[in-house]
Amino acid sequence: QLVLTQSPSASASLGASVKLTCTLSSGHSSYAIAWHQQQPEKGPRYLMKLNSDGSHSKGDGIPDRFSGSSSGAERYLTISSLQSEDEADYYCQTWGTGRVFGGGTKLTVL
Amino acid sequence: EVQLVESGGGLVKPGGSLRLSCAASGFTFSSYSMNWVRQAPGKGLEWVSSISSSSSYIYYADSVKGRFTISRDNAKNSLYLQMNSLRAEDTAVYYCARDSDGDYLLDYWGQGTLVTVSS
Repeated sequence: QLVLTQSPSASASLGASVKLTCTLSSGHSSYAIAWHQQQPEKGPRYLMKLNSDGSHSKGDGIPDRFSGSSSGAERYLTISSLQSEDEADYYCQTWGTGRVFGGGTKLTVL
Repeated sequence: EVQLVESGGGLVKPGGSLRLSCAASGFTFSSYSMNWVRQAPGKGLEWVSSISSSSSYIYYADSVKGRFTISRDNAKNSLYLQMNSLRAEDTAVYYCARDSDGDYLLDYWGQGTLVTVSS
């Protein structure tokens, strides 16, 4: 069964970098995923598509501070030069029979 | 500019019905598969249903199968979700979202509409 696993929370200081992880379940390490950001009290926003080889394509208007990388079944979202508005929930998503979401990571900017 | 605007949410009693709409603009609606995704209060995102560009392929999450019906009208650039036999656990913000071109990753989202099921 296709499952995406994310840590529930992460934190990093203003101006620093943080790397969030999304892990694909066994047998699904070739899948591409999308990263989505959801700021407090807002709808989700698409950040990027991330392929298994680490190549990625970002959505409209997404700053260069956001980047993606891959290693095996792990998919990463790196946010550099953290700003206060980066404090949000981050979800990874792929597809199987339907669309599949990870549980989300709540990022706190200290 | 791609825009997805949901409407139709509100307060409904358990066992009741509601029809959500999503008005799309800024892209060729008839060329894209579309989705409904929901988020219960304080919870994560949950996929609800998908429909292909020509309505040939339709899928539902097990939690709503047999109660919800997704449809679209390409002439009106609109997506719909008919929700019947509503339960308290269906209480959520419902989002309309577009699949990206060539795969099934969601690349645009609406702002959501709140459905509350309560007596």
